[in-house]
Parts: sequence; structure tokens; C-alpha cells
Amino acid sequence: NAGVTQTPKFRILKIGQSMTLQCTQDMNHNYMYWYRQDPGMGLKLIYYSVGAGITDKGEVPNGYNVSRSTTEDFPLRLELAAPSQTSVYFCASSYSKGSYNTGELFFGEGSRLTVL
Amino acid sequence: GQQLNQSPQSMFIQEGEDVSMNCTSSSIFNTWLWYKQDPGEGPVLLIALYKAGELTSNGRLTAQFGITRKDSFLNISASIPSDVGIYFCAGPAREVTFFDPRGATNKLIFGTGTLLAVQP
Repeated sequence: NAGVTQTPKFRILKIGQSMTLQCTQDMNHNYMYWYRQDPGMGLKLIYYSVGAGITDKGEVPNGYNVSRSTTEDFPLRLELAAPSQTSVYFCASSYSKGSYNTGELFFGEGSRLTVL
Repeated sequence: GQQLNQSPQSMFIQEGEDVSMNCTSSSIFNTWLWYKQDPGEGPVLLIALYKAGELTSNGRLTAQFGITRKDSFLNISASIPSDVGIYFCAGPAREVTFFDPRGATNKLIFGTGTLLAVQP
């Protein structure tokens, strides 16, 4: 019972490099989210998706891109890494009851990214 | 944009004490969720509230959906050392646009968090 799986768990990038954080869930949830958490801070929503082919911006989308080609996968792309993107990134998914999003998020273990 | 403010920011208590924390918003929420984050892990859902005035318990935890729909409260009774962590409230931020005047509610935002430390 894997739930939400994120890779990699740790990564160090140089300024200007690009990378993709992978996220996959096996619960057939239609909603998926990417959050970032800076040290000692709360979670900020980067992007979210309500289903395959549909994505939308969250609170802090600048510098990131996402895609949702399948229900299971929701990768987060950093094109030109900057020190301000040093953070812990969490992927999450949630399910609906009918057409109503329960908001009950299941989180991955997080990906710790450092940009030097 | 909508924000969720939590208080207190941190609490340092003795084992066995009761704990109260709250979450407020400048706008109305239709759902309130409370999560706990253990160190080095992702948040885990504790309690979900879907109706104004609703009072829901989960073991030693009790949460309430405020009547005004702009706040929620979480209480922990008889705290134990494993209650240590960060507690977050969360809810769907309403985005009202020309194309969706009812407001999409899939944008789940989190509060600022309350750090709880329990002294054995």
C-alpha cells in the first residue's frame, strides 16, 4: 500500500540547473497538489490539479511548472533553480465524494531540495 | 488572497496539560481540516469538519467549526510526549472568477502552524 511516493528524497542543485520532482499515487485520487515548506514555516501551495490534463496555479507558482498526463503522476519541474527555491517539497493527493473535494490530503514523505 | 492565521505560534507545556489552539480567516470557509506534522514527515490528517458549529472528536483531540465559518478550534486533552509536532489548519480557498462565479474550492491552503512541545 504505497500511497503517495515522491522521488528523489534529497537533491542538491546548482543555480540555473533544472530538475523534475516526481510524484505518483496509487489510490486513484483525482486531486493532486504540490506544496513547499520553508524552515520553520507553513506549507505554501505551488500548483494543483483536479484531474488528468487539468492544472492550476496555487499561491507561489513562479519558477515552477507542472503537468498531469495521467491520474497517477504529477511531476513538478524547476527550470532555472534559484537559492530561493531551497525548501522541502511535498506532494499530496485527495479524493472526492461525488463532485465534492473532501480536502482530506494524503502526503508523500517530502523531497528536500538545496540550491547552491 | 485568503490567509489562515493560527495562534498561538508555539506552545511549551507539561505532560498531562490540556492544549487549545485556533485558526482564523478573513473569509468564510466551508470546510476546516486539522493536520499534524511530525518532524521530518509529511502532515497527517487529524480531523475534518464540514458544517458550521460541528464538534468532532478523535481520541483526545476535539475540533470545532466556528459558527461564523471564519474560525476553527482544536483542543488536545491530557497531552503526552508524542503530541509534539506542528499542527496546521487547512481549508479550500475560494477563487471567484468570471467563468466560475460560485468559486472553485479545490485550492487547499494551510495555516501558519502551531508548534507544540511537551515536557515529560
